[in-house]
Amino acid sequence: QVQLQESGPGLVKPSQTLSLTCTVSGGSISSGSYYWSWIRQPAGKGLQWIGRIYTSGSTNYNPSLKSRVTISVDTSKNQFSLKLSSVTAADTAVYYCARGRQLILWFGEILGEFDYWGQGTLVTVSS
Amino acid sequence: QSALTQPPSASGSPGQSVTISCTGTSSDVGGYNYVSWYQQHPGKAPKLMIYEVSKRPSGVPDRFSGSKSGNTASLTVSGLQAEDEADYYCISYGDSNNLVFGGGTNLTVL
Repeated sequence: QVQLQESGPGLVKPSQTLSLTCTVSGGSISSGSYYWSWIRQPAGKGLQWIGRIYTSGSTNYNPSLKSRVTISVDTSKNQFSLKLSSVTAADTAVYYCARGRQLILWFGEILGEFDYWGQGTLVTVSS
Repeated sequence: QSALTQPPSASGSPGQSVTISCTGTSSDVGGYNYVSWYQQHPGKAPKLMIYEVSKRPSGVPDRFSGSKSGNTASLTVSGLQAEDEADYYCISYGDSNNLVFGGGTNLTVL
């Protein structure tokens, strides 16, 4: 059974960089056809996709956050990470990591559904 | 890309059926059969309920079903039960290798 667990500081000061790590257990992060994503949810609001990474290192980000986001992967530690720079109070949210299914079709790749999620971690941006 | 449009709320009595819509464009919902639905209880992570428009993962009750017509996908919950009360989100694959999320629907079991 695959499990994902987010970790990182729960409080970040405005203008600083938010850093989170997702540790994958119960299977190798490199096995199978999957992508690894970060998703966030402000209190009382909906889900927002932040971006994804393949274990090859290839990334794809939400255009609205692209200038501030970096997602990386460390296959030796079975982890992937999120860095979000220049944070403001609007970045306060529960941050989830999730595994997505990658599908390769005749016209290209498809980002399929999220089958496993971490429990989420609350990050508050405040001085 | 703009978010997918879901009704903010839906409701039904125990035993009844309720359908939640998810409207996008030809660049996402209408262009691909890769819409998934997630159930989220308060304080919990989302749970996959439907993928590829109408497929159910193992362990999801067959009371949950999905469909699509044009640019609108739908999730139907039949035989409503108290534990179905939750928020539901749709997600679609979209052009330019993006994912587009719905705003969520709060389902109340009366």
